[in-house]
Order: sequence, then structure tokens, then C-alpha cells
Amino acid sequence: DAGVIQSPRHEVTEMGQEVTLRCKPISGHNSLFWYRQTMMRGLELLIYFNNNVPIDDSGMPEDRFSAKMPNASFSTLKIQPSEPRDSAVYFCASINKGFVSSYNEQFFGPGTRLTVL
Amino acid sequence: AQTVTQSQPEMSVQEAETVTLSCTYDTSESDYYLFWYKQPPSRQMILVIRQEAYKQQNATENRFSVNFQKAAKSFSLKISDSQLGDAAMYFCAYRRTQGGSEKLVFGKGTKLTVNP
Repeated sequence: DAGVIQSPRHEVTEMGQEVTLRCKPISGHNSLFWYRQTMMRGLELLIYFNNNVPIDDSGMPEDRFSAKMPNASFSTLKIQPSEPRDSAVYFCASINKGFVSSYNEQFFGPGTRLTVL
Repeated sequence: AQTVTQSQPEMSVQEAETVTLSCTYDTSESDYYLFWYKQPPSRQMILVIRQEAYKQQNATENRFSVNFQKAAKSFSLKISDSQLGDAAMYFCAYRRTQGGSEKLVFGKGTKLTVNP
């Protein structure tokens, strides 16, 4: 099992540019999460999907951020236009959501380090 | 809303010694999960240990154990016989069980240094 795959691992862009981060969850997992990690705010959930449907996007900072999950094996997080304060490490995680309230471990990808100049 | 607090931004320990990392949380739920994650310099988030709130027995995984005090809403991690490879950021996290939400709420983390 390759684990959760994220690309790119590093992204450097200029303010105002569009940025797209990609995630491939573990095969068979039906829930996917996007987290952002910064020094100031720590790790915070941006959005999560269950069966490709966005369930909770309350953590998405503003309209410049959007996320899609067109199928069970792929998700994107897009920032347009990007700003220097978006610089952070973005993690994708997936889970095989079983019965409600049962324990299911979240598996994290290696993260994408985004730098906006 | 649930919150998780780690009051120690940094900790250090001598190799082979024992160290305890602190975590407190705030919730109105009675059933939930608590976790400790390790993040080495590679950035990979690694689950170290988990605790179900309905279990009174403290979880243990080899050299890692927790002290879960539900009434005090405290969840500390003890690392015994510390090794150089234990050096990392450690994050405490909370997850509710009701409502089917798998969302994790993290503390700000504790940076652990292991001195040879």
C-alpha cells in the first residue's frame, strides 16, 4: 500500500498566482481530509469529504480556497489568487469510515510545503 | 467547540530517561477519542497512541503510555527509555465519537529534543 500520496511536495509561487495541491487517498478509503499547518495556528482542518461529498468546509479560510473530490481516488485543494499568508504545510489524510462512532485511524500524507512570495 | 491545549512548547530529555508531555482539552461530550501524534523532521504524521474516553485503563504502546484523567480533562504522554529517534514534534488530538464526525482537533504541539 503506497499510503496517502500528495503532490507536489514543495511549491513556491508568487502572490496572485493560482496554486493546486493534489491528493490521492489510500485505496478503499471513503473519507478525505485537508489540513493546514502553520506556526501560528498549528494544525487545523480545512475541509473533509465523505464518499466524495463535502461534509464540513467550515475551516476553509475564504473564497480564495476551494476543494474538490471528483472521484474516490483524487482530490484537489486550489488557492486562487494565492497570498503570502497562505504559506504553510498542507496535509491530506484519509480514513475508511466504518460504523458511526467506531474507531478509524486517519492516515496522513507527507504534506505539501507551500511558499507564496 | 472542543479545544486542545499543550502548555509545553518545548521539552528536552536525556537519552534513556523518561519524559512526560502534557495535554489538556475542553469538551462537553462524554465519549470521545484522544490521540498523540508524532511528527519528525520528515513532516510525516505518525499515530503514537490512542485512548477511548469510555475506557478507564490507560493505553500503552511499548515505551509509550498515557495518563488519562477524564475528570480533569488531562491526557499526558509518557515516553520511557527515550531514544534519539523519539526527537520530534508531538501533537495531542481530540475526536468526538457522536455524530460520525472524524474531524481531529489538534493542540499546538510540543517539540521534544533528546540529548545523547
